[in-house]
This record gives sequence, structure tokens and C-alpha cells, in this order.
Amino acid sequence: RKEVEQDPGPFNVPEGATVAFNCTYSNSASQSFFWYRQDCRKEPKLLMSVYSSGNEDGRFTAQLNRASQYISLLIRDSKLSDSATYLCVVRKGYGQNFVFGPGTRLSVLP
Amino acid sequence: DGGITQSPKYLFRKEGQNVTLSCEQNLNHDAMYWYRQDPGQGLRLIYYSQIVNDFQKGDIAEGYSVSREKKESFPLTVTSAQKNPTAFYLCASSRLAENTGELFFGEGSRLTVL
Repeated sequence: RKEVEQDPGPFNVPEGATVAFNCTYSNSASQSFFWYRQDCRKEPKLLMSVYSSGNEDGRFTAQLNRASQYISLLIRDSKLSDSATYLCVVRKGYGQNFVFGPGTRLSVLP
Repeated sequence: DGGITQSPKYLFRKEGQNVTLSCEQNLNHDAMYWYRQDPGQGLRLIYYSQIVNDFQKGDIAEGYSVSREKKESFPLTVTSAQKNPTAFYLCASSRLAENTGELFFGEGSRLTVL
């Protein structure tokens, strides 16, 4: 089993739709969680850090469920510019490495 | 502006040649990383370094070498021993002292072996 798994995708949604991505991680000692966005042939960029209480940034909401070892990302009112691959990233803690999920590709269609 | 600079952005190499990819950061980060990404695939860790003059193998270190002589610099050499070197190479850095610090990436180097 991979350490970090994501919905396989791709997700093709119309503009204005709400879309949710799921991510599960296998190491219960993991302490830090992130969602990154990667555009085609570009470097990943941080979208959101994910906190235990959940957090929201505009149209984006991230949730963490430590008991189920599950992270989610919700995008509301999706825009064409949201089209990208979304990477779930987990870190075990101080001095530990980051583990990347395979990514879920989103295409927002006009 | 603080950030990570990778060069070259595009590189072509003949089989059997070694090439070195440069990575420089001015974020004062302790930790630096090299990842490889193949088309449609996730990122895989090649090497990482948490302190000057020390580095550790990642998941796919075979055929690669690194050095960390300065805090700001973490060059990656792709040797002729790497069987499938054509890929997108990403350098990253992070703060070590913070438990929750995120990764910052350079713009990447795209290597093609002819």
C-alpha cells in the first residue's frame, strides 16, 4: 500500500461546480499536511496547509480527520483557472521528509 | 526576492554523459531536496540534505550524486549509470526547525537524453 493515496482522477467538471478531492495516508505518526497545486510542466505550489480544525481560504476548504487518516480538499464555484493537478503531501514531523501522493488532475470545462 | 533558482531549465544530453543540475536558494533554509517527476507520475525523492556536508539517499538515488558544500547550494549530478534519466527534476527546500514548515520548489530542470 502506498504511503499517501489520492483519488485517481481525472475529474472533469463544469465551471461553477463544487468538487472534492480525497487523500488517505498510512502513517499514523504524520504531523503536517498540505495541498499543493501543480500546473502542467510547472513546479508544485503550496495551495493550503491543513490544520486539525480544518481551514478555509476563499473557495477552498481543507479538512483533516486524524482518526481515519484522511484529508480532503473542497473547491467551490470552480473556475477555468482551477484546472491543474492537486497533490496531497504529508510530513511525519521535525526533520522528516515529505511524502507526495500521485496527484488528482482536475479539468474545469466552460 | 527570496526563492530557489534551478538551472538550466532545459538540458539535452547524449547517452553516457554525466550532467549536473544546479540548485541555489536564498531562503536560509537548512533542508534541501531533489525530486524526480516522470510524465503523469508523482514526485519521487532522489536525495535530501538537512545540513551542510551531509546528505541522505531518497527512494531512487541510484545513478545520481549530490554535494552540499554550502547551505545555499545543492547540485545534483545525473551520471551515466542512471538508466532512464529523461525526466523533470525539481529542487526544493524547507525550514528544518519548524515542524509544520512547507516545501518551496524551484521551477525545475527538464532533462532529455538523446
